[in-house]
Amino acid sequence: EVQLVQSGAEVKKPGESLKISCRASGYSFPSYWVAWVRQMPGKGLEWMGSIYPGDSETRYSPSFQGQVIISVDRSTYTAHLQLSSLKASDTATYYCATGLWLGDYTMAYWGQGTLVIVSS
Amino acid sequence: DIQMAQSPSSLSASVGDRVTITCQASQDITNFLNWYQQKPGKAPKLLIYDASNLETGVPPRFSGDGSGTDFTLTISSLQPEDVATYYCQQYNNIPPGGVTFGQGTRLDIK
Repeated sequence: EVQLVQSGAEVKKPGESLKISCRASGYSFPSYWVAWVRQMPGKGLEWMGSIYPGDSETRYSPSFQGQVIISVDRSTYTAHLQLSSLKASDTATYYCATGLWLGDYTMAYWGQGTLVIVSS
Repeated sequence: DIQMAQSPSSLSASVGDRVTITCQASQDITNFLNWYQQKPGKAPKLLIYDASNLETGVPPRFSGDGSGTDFTLTISSLQPEDVATYYCQQYNNIPPGGVTFGQGTRLDIK
């Protein structure tokens, strides 16, 4: 069974950094792209970027380029999303997703989401 | 960047109604268009991929159509469990690649 399990909710202060994890199981992690999607409270879905675990090739949305870092640890089948210099506007739920054979950007399997709250 | 104009932003319909949601791309995206359903507090769920292919396990009352710039998601007979927000998503495989979501359509029961 394909599963993406994300790390738990976080409460951070402005200026702090954060690394969210997404652990994959049930499929060949190195072979398929993993995407990160942001959803701010009450708002829509925003693609942040995607990574190919096999060689760590990464593609970022222009809106998030330079603002976040997406990485993988192939030994643990885990993708990471790193946010730094957090602001209140980073408060959101962050999802990881993969499409497997359906395509690089099709998101057929999703993590449960990680809620990040940034507040002083 | 390719923009996606999704309409309506909200919709109220009766059980059994036929419901259609549209998405228009700012340029030709051939059939690189997916549809997702999101229920409150849950992760999105893929319904339709590549404009018209029904994802495994999705009820056949859901269908997708279109190519180029104009796309539709249709629910042939609305059920109470279909209350959700629906998003279209375009993708571009040509490097550097990219994804854009529509703004979402909130669907509820009248």
